[in-house]
Amino acid sequence: QKEVEQNSGPLSVPEGAIASLNCTYSDRVSQSFFWYRQYSGKSPELIMSIYSNGDKEDGRFTAQLNKASQYVSLLIRDSQPSDSATYLCAVTGSYIPTFGRGTSLIVHP
Amino acid sequence: DTAVSQTPKYLVTQMGNDKSIKCEQNLGHDTMYWYKQDSKKFLKIMFSYNNKELIINETVPNRFSPKSPDKAHLNLHINSLELGDSAVYFCASSQVPSVSSYNSPLHFGNGTRLTVT
Repeated sequence: QKEVEQNSGPLSVPEGAIASLNCTYSDRVSQSFFWYRQYSGKSPELIMSIYSNGDKEDGRFTAQLNKASQYVSLLIRDSQPSDSATYLCAVTGSYIPTFGRGTSLIVHP
Repeated sequence: DTAVSQTPKYLVTQMGNDKSIKCEQNLGHDTMYWYKQDSKKFLKIMFSYNNKELIINETVPNRFSPKSPDKAHLNLHINSLELGDSAVYFCASSQVPSVSSYNSPLHFGNGTRLTVT
């Protein structure tokens, strides 16, 4: 059974700090990896996608992928209170886009 | 606006009733999905259609029946509603031209909060 694992948190960081969110997956044939942000009562919105090993940066966000270790992470630099949300890791491989249970991030002033 | 739209936004109904949720996307995507999100925020795939054909049907009670009249629409009909069906249901779409290509992210609708009393 394909699984995507995330620490549910909450992860609490002070404003301006780096928030580090982690995700592991079980399906070795997984090809595409995504991070979504979901505010309470809203739908998930795409933050980052990554397809090959290494780092991918977009503004304050950096996604890191290590396929050998089956591990993908999201770093948020200079965290802001507006970053407080649930972050969902999604992995797509054979047929099924599978989500982790999400990590709740709280950025306190 | 280009988007995935689903209706209704809220649905409150009693046990045993039958209800439908509609979803439409005007993004030109080939694949549409229904996900169920429980109270703990876990998003679980229910169904996926590629160009009107069912390609994913997870272990879902047969009281749930998806219908795709064309590739821009994927509706969800639920018979004999139960308390455990209460959740938020998300429709999503992606540009996946074939089952061997899965590089596209999902675009979600705003969700339908179903409450069964």
